[in-house]
Amino acid sequence: DIQMTQSPSSLSASVGDRVTITCRASRSISVYLNWYQHKPGKAPNLLIYAASHLHSGVPSRFTGSGSGTDFTLTISGLRPEDFATYYCQQSYSNPPTFGQGTQLEI
Amino acid sequence: QVQLVQSGAEVKRPGASVKVSCKASGYTFTSYYIHWIRQAPGQGLEWMAVINPTTGSTSFAQNFQGRATMTRDTSTNTVYVELSSLRSGDTALYYCARGTQVVPFYYDYWGQGALVTVSS
Repeated sequence: DIQMTQSPSSLSASVGDRVTITCRASRSISVYLNWYQHKPGKAPNLLIYAASHLHSGVPSRFTGSGSGTDFTLTISGLRPEDFATYYCQQSYSNPPTFGQGTQLEI
Repeated sequence: QVQLVQSGAEVKRPGASVKVSCKASGYTFTSYYIHWIRQAPGQGLEWMAVINPTTGSTSFAQNFQGRATMTRDTSTNTVYVELSSLRSGDTALYYCARGTQVVPFYYDYWGQGALVTVSS
């Protein structure tokens, strides 16, 4: 199975900040990397698919980049509603695997 | 609009089985796969299984092979996952998610989650 490792595990930031979350795959996954936002008691929301493509309806302050083994999710101009847990997920090979999550806190 | 509506919370004894449903609406049921993903308390997301609604073919994570079954009913656009020989470690929120059939795939719609509690 491909292991996905996110860093940091948790992150404190303020409204208006720019933050970057990193996801590393245990082997190359091309651009088969998705990012999700998850809030307690709610279903996860797709933010970015195929490493850099913004899902419909997702604000442009979310950007994704990377290929191969190293990927980043950047949130520019943090808003209060962005404080959540973020997960990366690879869809390159079965089984699909998720990173352990990055909790973004105020 | 696309919706995935899951069945309600369940409490089960260790060793029992649980069956969770996921009813899809708002799109062509056979055009997308349905995946099951769970989240144990304080843990991350764990992929469990996928079903092709057209053919009924399934694939399971190694942790669930032999212990989980997945079926679909195309007359009601509903997918079911059944997990047997439950243990305390199966206590989790179980989500169904719609997955695109093309690669690279992603989960663009999710159910609201069904809490399964395994306790004696």
